Amino acid sequence: DQQVKQNSPSLSVQEGRISILNCDYTNSMFDYFLWYKKYPAEGPTFLISISSIKDKNEDGRFTVFLNKSAKHLSLHIVPSQPGDSAVYFCAASLTQGGSEKLVFGKGTKLTVNP
Amino acid sequence: KAGVTQTPRYLIKTRGQQVTLSCSPISGHRSVSWYQQTPGQGLQFLFEYFSETQRNKGNFPGRFSGRQFSNSRSEMNVSTLELGDSALYLCASSPGQGYDEQFFGPGTRLTVL
Repeated sequence: DQQVKQNSPSLSVQEGRISILNCDYTNSMFDYFLWYKKYPAEGPTFLISISSIKDKNEDGRFTVFLNKSAKHLSLHIVPSQPGDSAVYFCAASLTQGGSEKLVFGKGTKLTVNP
Repeated sequence: KAGVTQTPRYLIKTRGQQVTLSCSPISGHRSVSWYQQTPGQGLQFLFEYFSETQRNKGNFPGRFSGRQFSNSRSEMNVSTLELGDSALYLCASSPGQGYDEQFFGPGTRLTVL
């Protein structure tokens, strides 16, 4: 059972436009959410995070929005640049049985065309 | 500062064998986490070590184990390899507890034949 879902395996946008990457989760106990970016042959890199007590977090061109009632979060990249082309992973964290558990989505491959 | 290093980068094993992967965290980092990445399942959390203690564990069978040494270096062991264990194994380190400051290594590509 996939608790964190990224339903779009790929996304293609034009340089300068907005990229919107979506992520849905099923467990309302998740209290912290993260986005990672991964280039080929490299490990994932932390991008931005948001706590469940917030609905928005912004860092430069990257903004994450959280809609708790819909169990949905999204990553907005504005403006998109060719160097943003990578696989983006959404992850959610919760504390369970005294342990902190991190669950990842399967990733969305973003291609930004010049 | 040197980044997270993982050895070996590539590994080929046969079913039934066991394998040990190594991870050297960034100097000063005390937490090391391991992840498995496959095309079908994406990135899955294996376990996390902090100060030589396993702090968190994902939903993987007991064939997957790990340890952390006093210098924060970590090893991951997989026994009785199965074809489905073929994956990219990623290690991440962070200064303390918490996932948003993780730095990932390049991974070890394990192929099980």
